[in-house]
Amino acid sequence: AQSVTQPDIHITVSEGASLELRCNYSYGATPYLFWYVQSPGQGLQLLLKYFSGDTLVQGIKGFEAEFKRSQSSFNLRKPSVHWSDAAEYFCAVGAGGSQGNLIFGKGTKLSVKP
Amino acid sequence: GAGVSQSPRYKVAKRGQDVALRCDPISGHVSLFWYQQALGQGPEFLTYFQNEAQLDKSGLPSDRFFAERPEGSVSTLKIQRTQQEDSAVYLCASSWSGGNQPQHFGDGTRLSIL
Repeated sequence: AQSVTQPDIHITVSEGASLELRCNYSYGATPYLFWYVQSPGQGLQLLLKYFSGDTLVQGIKGFEAEFKRSQSSFNLRKPSVHWSDAAEYFCAVGAGGSQGNLIFGKGTKLSVKP
Repeated sequence: GAGVSQSPRYKVAKRGQDVALRCDPISGHVSLFWYQQALGQGPEFLTYFQNEAQLDKSGLPSDRFFAERPEGSVSTLKIQRTQQEDSAVYLCASSWSGGNQPQHFGDGTRLSIL
């Protein structure tokens, strides 16, 4: 069965520092992968997606993610974090088929120190 | 353009009461998903509609949960005889079609069962 693991529950970084959030997935075929961000009391906003092709994917707000099939990973990165990036980040894999419901990880909460 | 709209934003009910949660998807979106997000967890899939057809309800936790989308636009998630474990945020998402197209999320309804 498909699954997503986000090993880090909570990460704190200093403003201006680089960021990497880890995501590992379990999926039998080529996965559809997504990163979403959720601010308190808000819904989820799509940061970026990977369907096929170039394994380095650019998203909004300066985020990027790299798909590594050999490691079953899809880590999210940002070279310089801003205080407004503090939020919860969710990695998700598409369940496949024509339906496409998402299977989410448990999320990583990002705190940013001034 | 308007995004996905959910109402109410907050709902408090006593155990045993019935509740109804509304989702108004982006106009023209064929696919509609409901997810349940428990505190500190990632969203979990409940059910999926393609137009008015409910094609997958495998994630509904019990027969107390019922969803409909009678005209292929607005959807309602109903929970009968609520229990404390139903307390969660209920998220609705829509997309142009299924098949792993990006989903657009509403801000959710936070349901608290006393």
